[in-house]
Amino acid sequence: GAVVSQHPSRVICKSGTSVKIECRSLDFQATTMFWYRQFPKQSLMLMATSNEGSKATYEQGVEKDKFLINHASLTLSTLTVTSAHPEDSSFYICSTRGSAEKLFFGSGTQLSVL
Amino acid sequence: KNQVEQSPQSLIILEGKNCTLQCNYTVSPFSNLRWYKQDTGRGPVSLTIMTFSENTKSNGRYTATLDADTKQSSLHITASQLSDSASYICPGRGGSYIPTFGRGTSLIVHP
Repeated sequence: GAVVSQHPSRVICKSGTSVKIECRSLDFQATTMFWYRQFPKQSLMLMATSNEGSKATYEQGVEKDKFLINHASLTLSTLTVTSAHPEDSSFYICSTRGSAEKLFFGSGTQLSVL
Repeated sequence: KNQVEQSPQSLIILEGKNCTLQCNYTVSPFSNLRWYKQDTGRGPVSLTIMTFSENTKSNGRYTATLDADTKQSSLHITASQLSDSASYICPGRGGSYIPTFGRGTSLIVHP
């Protein structure tokens, strides 16, 4: 199955700074990458769908200028949380989709904004 | 959209005991149904996949069943282990076949 490598696994930053999260598809050409956010004991909430070579599609209520997504190649998609605030503290995780709609997830990034 | 309801919301069992988790779809059809396991602080991992033509499928100590008529699926875990403590999720499908997730069932296995 596909392997998705996500970095960093944990990041602590000051309020107002930007944080970039990378997801790499190591053995699979990921034309589509899903980005989710998960608060403690809550479900995975889809933030956006990134498509290689085109603009990402954001879910309702997700600020595209705050959560910048870039999917410049078939192996790399990035999510940048700009001007992070404490309320952005969450678990961010990416996923790509393989055959039979099987999802392959990264290991997740725990973001803590002080 | 495919909407999913899972029960119970949480479950605590003793190590070695069996348990059954439920997943009910309110909208059909769907091409396949998957169960995912998510350990705390990790990404979900697929446990099993079932298609319309399958009623039951096993993967080690995990056995999934599917009743397409009632739109119900269950995940049975036998001889539970401490490592089974996790959230178990059966995703629905939103627009453009984008997977959507509910809260799942939180399983805690006590020694």
